[in-house]
Amino acid sequence: DAGITQSPRHKVTETGTPVTLRCHQTENHRYMYWYRQDPGHGLRLIHYSYGVKDTDKGEVSDGYSVSRSKTEDFLLTLESATSSQTSVYFCAISEGDSSSYEQYFGPGTRLTVT
Amino acid sequence: EDQVTQSPEALRLQEGESSSLNCSYTVSGLRGLFWYRQDPGKGPEFLFTLYSAGEEKEKERLKATLTKKESFLHITAPKPEDSATYLCAVQGASNTGKLIFGQGTTLQVKP
Repeated sequence: DAGITQSPRHKVTETGTPVTLRCHQTENHRYMYWYRQDPGHGLRLIHYSYGVKDTDKGEVSDGYSVSRSKTEDFLLTLESATSSQTSVYFCAISEGDSSSYEQYFGPGTRLTVT
Repeated sequence: EDQVTQSPEALRLQEGESSSLNCSYTVSGLRGLFWYRQDPGKGPEFLFTLYSAGEEKEKERLKATLTKKESFLHITAPKPEDSATYLCAVQGASNTGKLIFGQGTTLQVKP
C-alpha cells in the first residue's frame, strides 16, 4: 500500500463547471502523476510533478491544470469541464530519488460530465 | 515515438491451462518495462520491473521476461483469481518519469 488516496471517488458535474480532483500521499514521495483511463486508449499521462511547485505536461494536458503547494497533495483542475473529459482519473507516485522507478497508483476517481 | 502494443486483447483460459501475454515495444533507450495487474474498478497494481534484455522476474504463478523488442508475461497453471487486466508500460530515456502504457490484455480464467 503506497498510502495514496484520491477524492472524490465519484463525481458527476455539468459541462462548463470547474472541477478539482485531489491526490494525497502520506510518504513524502517526490514524483506524482495524473493519468486518465479510457476504453480504447488505455492509461495516458495528463501532468506530472517532480517537486513542490514543479510540474510538467504529459501527452493529454489540454484543458487541465495542476498545482502542488505541498509535497503530499497534487491537485488536478478542469477549468471548464467538457463531455470529452468524462473518464476515470488515476493519481500515481514514484518512490525513490529518481523518476526511473515503478509507479504506484491510487484507487481512481470516476468523473462524469453531463 | 515510444509505443507499446499488447496482445491478445482478451484471453480465456481454463483453470490450470498455462499461457503467455505479449507486450511489444518501441522505445528510445529503455529505462524500464513495467507490468501491472488491474481489477475492475481499481487502480493498477504493480507486479514487475524489467530493465534489460534477458532479465526475468517471478511472482507466484507469474513470470515476466524481456527481450530487446518485447516482453512476455507467462502464467503457469492459472486460477480464477488470476482473472484481471494485465497492463504493460515502458519508460524511455527521452521521457523521464513518463510511462507509456499498452491497452492491456483482459484475462479470464474459468474454473
